[in-house]
Amino acid sequence: EIVLTQSPDFQSVTPKEQVTITCRASQSIGSTLHWYQQKPDQSPKLLIKYGSQSISGVPSRFSGSVSGTDFTLTINGLEPEDAATYYCHQSSSLPLTFGGGTKVEIK
Amino acid sequence: QITLKESGPSLVKPTQTLTLTCTFSGFSLTTAAVGVGWIRQPPGKALEWLALIYGDDDKRYSPSLRTRLTVTKDTSNNQVVLTMTNMDPVDTATYYCAHRRERYFDYWGLGTLVTVSS
Repeated sequence: EIVLTQSPDFQSVTPKEQVTITCRASQSIGSTLHWYQQKPDQSPKLLIKYGSQSISGVPSRFSGSVSGTDFTLTINGLEPEDAATYYCHQSSSLPLTFGGGTKVEIK
Repeated sequence: QITLKESGPSLVKPTQTLTLTCTFSGFSLTTAAVGVGWIRQPPGKALEWLALIYGDDDKRYSPSLRTRLTVTKDTSNNQVVLTMTNMDPVDTATYYCAHRRERYFDYWGLGTLVTVSS
């Protein structure tokens, strides 16, 4: 099973600041890593697919990058509505797995 | 527009079998390129994948829950059904179904909270 380790677990950030969330895979997964945003009492929403590909309708301040088994989600210029928990998800091999989540709080 | 909605009991007793239905619209579950997955989330915890069914009826399960899960589809009614046997309090969670495109879940239902308690 591929384990996804997210860091940090929690981040408190001032609006307009940049946020960086990392997801490390326990083995090579190519680019089959996707990012989701989950706001309180809502279902997850797809933000980025295949490591760095944008999703229609998602603000351009959200971006993703890949370096080996390290994946990064960046929010450039945090907005108050970005307060949420962010999850990475791998679909390289079964079982499908998710990271433990990173909660982003607005200061 | 793709939509999915989960339905089923909100409360089940330990050892009972849970049956959840995912009713969807905006796509047909008739080809291998399209799938519906089930994912759960215990209160305050992370997401956990449970099962996946494709339009060609290929089915995949989480190894840790494989013996307890069954997923089926009813193409004519646009539904996917998940059954989980021998429910335990640790299975208390919000259960989501989601549309799978290529290798990611792009549309999710609102989820349904299932509590396991006597």
